[in-house]
Amino acid sequence: DTGVSQDPRHKITKRGQNVTFRCDPISEHNRLYWYRQTLGQGPEFLTYFQNEAQLEKSRLLSDRFSAERPKGSFSTLEIQRTEQGDSAMYLCASSLVQGANEKLFFGSGTQLSVL
Amino acid sequence: AQSVTQLDSQVPVFEEAPVELRCNYSSSVSVYLFWYVQYPNQGLQLLLKYLSGSTLVKGINGFEAEFNKSQTSFHLRKPSVHISDTAEYFCAVSGFDYKLSFGAGTTVTVRA
Repeated sequence: DTGVSQDPRHKITKRGQNVTFRCDPISEHNRLYWYRQTLGQGPEFLTYFQNEAQLEKSRLLSDRFSAERPKGSFSTLEIQRTEQGDSAMYLCASSLVQGANEKLFFGSGTQLSVL
Repeated sequence: AQSVTQLDSQVPVFEEAPVELRCNYSSSVSVYLFWYVQYPNQGLQLLLKYLSGSTLVKGINGFEAEFNKSQTSFHLRKPSVHISDTAEYFCAVSGFDYKLSFGAGTTVTVRA
């Protein structure tokens, strides 16, 4: 169990550029979540996958955001035409759903700064 | 929909003193409740969770929380804190889908 890993740890970009983040969940975890955390706030749910299917997408997620989990393993989160308001920590979490007892494991996040 | 209010944004406490972090939630359906801890430069780590059963939940590192349905609260307590407990603590609620809604967090600073 190597934990949930996210890459990169930090990303600095200019407004209007596209960025892509990667999340590698714990192997065999079938559920994967993306959250966003801004300074002084708790994480906010963005979207989640059950295997390769994207089951829900938050209304917080504008059309500039897209997430994929093509083979039910790693996931990518892309932000197109970044804006300064996109600056935040992007967190990934994974879990193995077993009945009513699910435990989420979080990665350390990708810190995005849009200049 | 569910939401969480953490009543204290910052809690300074002396080493070996007790600490209580307050959390209130709102939901129209049955919920699961969680406390997570975030140490500097680390990911969120689950401290404890309430799914059902006994309202007193014991977690890791000596923490415990009590679910109070009538007061819609889930306060976190530790009888004696250590310097290493300095961190940010998040209360969270979810429905059966485990989609978490977090509070804004409470920063605990333990002083010698």
